[in-house]
Amino acid sequence: DIQMTQSPSTLSASVGDRVTITCRASQSISGGLAWYQQKPGKAPKLLIYKTFNLEGGVPSRFSGSGSGTEFTLTISSLQPDDFATYYCHQYNTYGTFGQGTKVEIK
Amino acid sequence: QVQLVESGGGVVQPGTSLRLSCAAAGFTFSNYGIHWVRQAPGKGLEWVAVISYDGNNKHYADSVKGRFSISRDNSKNTLFLQMNSLRAEDTAVYYCAKDYHLYGSGGPLQYWGQGTLVTVSS
Repeated sequence: DIQMTQSPSTLSASVGDRVTITCRASQSISGGLAWYQQKPGKAPKLLIYKTFNLEGGVPSRFSGSGSGTEFTLTISSLQPDDFATYYCHQYNTYGTFGQGTKVEIK
Repeated sequence: QVQLVESGGGVVQPGTSLRLSCAAAGFTFSNYGIHWVRQAPGKGLEWVAVISYDGNNKHYADSVKGRFSISRDNSKNTLFLQMNSLRAEDTAVYYCAKDYHLYGSGGPLQYWGQGTLVTVSS
């Protein structure tokens, strides 16, 4: 099974900050990597798929990059609506999620 | 618009069974693979199972293999998850989610339901 290691688990930041979250796969996943945002009591929302493709309606301050086993989600300028938990998801082989990163107000 | 509505959750005792349903609307259900994903209270997301658009291919997480069974009724736009031999560690919110790609079942999860809570406790 493919394991996903996401870091950090918690991130404290201020509005306007540039934020980076990393996910490492235990083996190559050929770019089959998505990122989701989840707010308390709500279902996850797809932000990015196939490493860097922005889902429709998602603000351009979100971007994804990476290849092979290492992938990154970047929020270029954190907005109040962005305080949430973020998950990576490899779907190259069935599915595995990272442990999540909670982005909280500094 | 796409809607996925889960139902069937509740409180059950260890060792018993439960069947979850996911009613779909707003898209051609029979053209997409559908996944189950769960989230234990205060924990992260765990992928559980997927079924192909035609129901012919199914895959499960090791944690549920042999105990859970995914199925679908395309005539009723409904997905099911039969959960047997339930354990305390199966306690979670269960989400159904639509695969992104037409006829795909190994893609990102584009739309999610609101989830249904399953509590396994004596």
